[in-house]
Amino acid sequence: SAVISQKPSRDICQRGTSLTIQCQVDSQVTMMFWYRQQPGQSLTLIATANQGSEATYESGFVIDKFPISRPNLTFSTLTVSNMSPEDSSIYLCSVVHYRASYNEQFFGPGTRLTVL
Amino acid sequence: DAKTTQPTSMDCAEGRAANLPCNHSTISGNEYVYWYRQIHSQGPQYIIHGLKNNETNEMASLIITEDRKSSTLILPHATLRDTAVYYCIVRESGGSYIPTFGRGTSLIVHP
Repeated sequence: SAVISQKPSRDICQRGTSLTIQCQVDSQVTMMFWYRQQPGQSLTLIATANQGSEATYESGFVIDKFPISRPNLTFSTLTVSNMSPEDSSIYLCSVVHYRASYNEQFFGPGTRLTVL
Repeated sequence: DAKTTQPTSMDCAEGRAANLPCNHSTISGNEYVYWYRQIHSQGPQYIIHGLKNNETNEMASLIITEDRKSSTLILPHATLRDTAVYYCIVRESGGSYIPTFGRGTSLIVHP
């Protein structure tokens, strides 16, 4: 298994500011992902955090808005830049262990962001 | 996008079995069926997965039809703490897939 922690657990921010969310995993993992979950919605994949290279973003998400860092195999950050009320969501860090015949995916507890 | 279809919501009486269906008619031979659940305000939690055989663990049972086009997650004795959104996902083994989620089934367990 993998134990994932996120900081902060929640925050209330003003429009136009930026927030950086940290994700720490207790073991080295190959793949780390960032998701957004808007109120009452399912999880939407933002990007794959690649160690040592630029993140791979899904359609509708761009690096200028959601810069991601992954300096090593156990840590990643997601920044929500120039925030607006539409960015109010839960942001989730996730990791995947690839096994020979199946994949295990684990999630952090999430960061609840409210933008005023 | 997700390749599964689930009912939007279901309810179940406490102590009874909760049977959550999932259709995955386009599943391919090397894709596994996974189930996760998300209790309010928490990150999703892995429940169980299977390829073609029925599976059971301490949380639930997974029944996969012989043609693998559908499956059912069974919570044998539902409790109030099982109230959550349950996600059925199909994904390949190996490192080439993108882990996406559909809308899931909102299960409400009532007294």
